[in-house]
Formats: sequence, C-alpha cells, structure tokens
Amino acid sequence: GQNIDQPTEMTATEGAIVQINCTYQTSGFNGLFWYQQHAGEAPTFLSYNVLDGLEEKGRFSSFLSRSKGYSYLLLKELQMKDSASYLCAVTDSNYQLIWGAGTKLIIKP
Amino acid sequence: ETGVTQTPRHLVMGMTNKKSLKCEQHLGHNAMYWYKQSAKKPLELMFVYNFKEQTENNSVPSRFSPECPNSSHLFLHLHTLQPEDSALYLCASSPRTSGGGANVLTFGAGSRLTVL
Repeated sequence: GQNIDQPTEMTATEGAIVQINCTYQTSGFNGLFWYQQHAGEAPTFLSYNVLDGLEEKGRFSSFLSRSKGYSYLLLKELQMKDSASYLCAVTDSNYQLIWGAGTKLIIKP
Repeated sequence: ETGVTQTPRHLVMGMTNKKSLKCEQHLGHNAMYWYKQSAKKPLELMFVYNFKEQTENNSVPSRFSPECPNSSHLFLHLHTLQPEDSALYLCASSPRTSGGGANVLTFGAGSRLTVL
C-alpha cells in the first residue's frame, strides 16, 4: 500500500529552528507538497519539490531525497504564528495525491 | 470574493436530516474536489470533478451525493448520515486534475459537520 509518515506533534521555541520530517512509500513519484493548516482554517500551499535538493523560500525550506523516499520542512526563526499543522503529500505515478496525517507544531515563547 | 468559499462553516444535523454543503471558487480552475478531514488522519479524497464531470468517486457511501453544475460551484448533498461521518469537509480546486508540474490545490476553510 501507499503510505506517508510524519510525526504527530512537535514542540519548538520561538526564535529557534525546527525540522519536520516526512517519509513516503508510494507507487511512483511525481512531486511532493507541503501545506500549512492553522486551526480552523484552510490548508495553504507552502512548497513543491520534484527534484532532489533544497528549495528555500524565506524562513521556510523544503528538502527532497527521492532515493530515500524522504523530505523535510525546515522552519527558521520560529514565530508564534508558525503554530499550525504541516501536511506532507506525494503525487504518485497516477498523479493521485497521497496525504500524511499532518504534524502539529506547537511554538512556545 | 477570491479563493475558495465554503458554506456553511458549521452544521449540526440529525441522522434523518437532509442538508447540503456548498463550495464556490473564483480562481478559474477546472478541477474541484471534496475531501474529508478527521482528527489525526490523512485527508481522505471523496470526489473529483474535472470540467464539471465527475472523474473520481473514492468508494464513498451513497449517503454523500455530489453535484457540480459548473466549474465554479460544487455541492455535497447529505442524507441519512451516521455519527462517524462527523468531520471537517474540505473543498479544493486546482488548475487541472493531473499532469506534470505543481498542480497546487487551493482549499476552502471547510464545513465542520456534526451528526447527532
């Protein structure tokens, strides 16, 4: 079967750095997405990786290793507003999106 | 309005009621989706529409009935639901349903459904 694994919950301190990991086993690979979802709000797109390496967007970076079936989302200079759930999703060979259960990130002052 | 709008935001219904969820997108997208989101579970894809035509029904019980009158509007009609159907129902749209490149989904804020 197809599966996406990510930690259920993480805690970090304001101003620090946190890395949220995502591992996947899917039938083929056509890209990996990260979405952010604040409580009670819509998930919003953060990043897309299809080639190996690091993509940087301001305080957020996303890394992909296709050979290892692994990605991470790196958040720097954490702010209280970064408290949210972070969803990892992979597009398989049929362009179906396979979702992880999400990682709830709690930021403490 | 811009983006994806869902109404109502909250809905409480009995198991014998009939209600509908509405979704509207103003992004010019051709694909629309219904997802079910339950606590600590991955998003479950329910239905996909491409250019108003249903292209996927992910083994959803018939008590959920989708309707897509045009590319901008999507409904989910609910009838004789069960308490386990209580969840957040998310609507999303995207430029297309498949193909290479980043087919980014834009989500609505969801309709929180409680079945008593």
